[in-house]
Amino acid sequence: GAGVSQSPRYKVAKRGQDVALRCDPISGHVSLFWYQQALGQGPEFLTYFQNEAQLDKSGLPSDRFFAERPEGSVSTLKIQRTQQEDSAVYLCASSLVLAGGPWETQYFGPGTRLLVL
Amino acid sequence: GNSVTQMEGPVTLSEEAFLTINCTYTATGYPSLFWYVQYPGEGLQLLLKATKADDKGSNKGFEATYRKETTSFHLEKGSVQVSDSAVYFCALLNSGNTPLVFGKGTRLSVIA
Repeated sequence: GAGVSQSPRYKVAKRGQDVALRCDPISGHVSLFWYQQALGQGPEFLTYFQNEAQLDKSGLPSDRFFAERPEGSVSTLKIQRTQQEDSAVYLCASSLVLAGGPWETQYFGPGTRLLVL
Repeated sequence: GNSVTQMEGPVTLSEEAFLTINCTYTATGYPSLFWYVQYPGEGLQLLLKATKADDKGSNKGFEATYRKETTSFHLEKGSVQVSDSAVYFCALLNSGNTPLVFGKGTRLSVIA
């Protein structure tokens, strides 16, 4: 079946621009995560949704970052007034069961590579 | 807190060599442990996982055993191929509504 998809795959923004990154999770998956992966580093958690509820946003680096999942399916990560330090790959992952089950597996999308000039 | 430490790369091996990538973790509770792989130009893919102590995860010739006594989950493969060249990430998932915690990744290059 279809996996997690993300768009755009690449985004170049001028410093100060707003950007919106989209994630389409696997159909029926309850949990959705956003991660940020800096060059040469492992992914780091940004925020987590269970259906449409944003249960954890402790990883968002500043109030310029905002995420939503209004209908419990597609999610959008928005970055306002982008800065050069926002340049990274933004990964979306989804999982079928409620987070915390030992059998949980997160399936990742291909990521959106954001470059802020 | 929760953290994962994996060996620094890059690792360069000849084809058919034995591979070990070390991974140790710190966690409260009893986490599940994962290895993800990122091939060039592609997204993260789950390679294998183990959900409790002494479990062995295996896939595509790769293996890792969940060692609670040494808090380790080392990745091994007996004979690597050029197609195994990728970045490998060790990760843990603790109980409760928590995200994956990743190591920094180890880049593997296999030369013919």
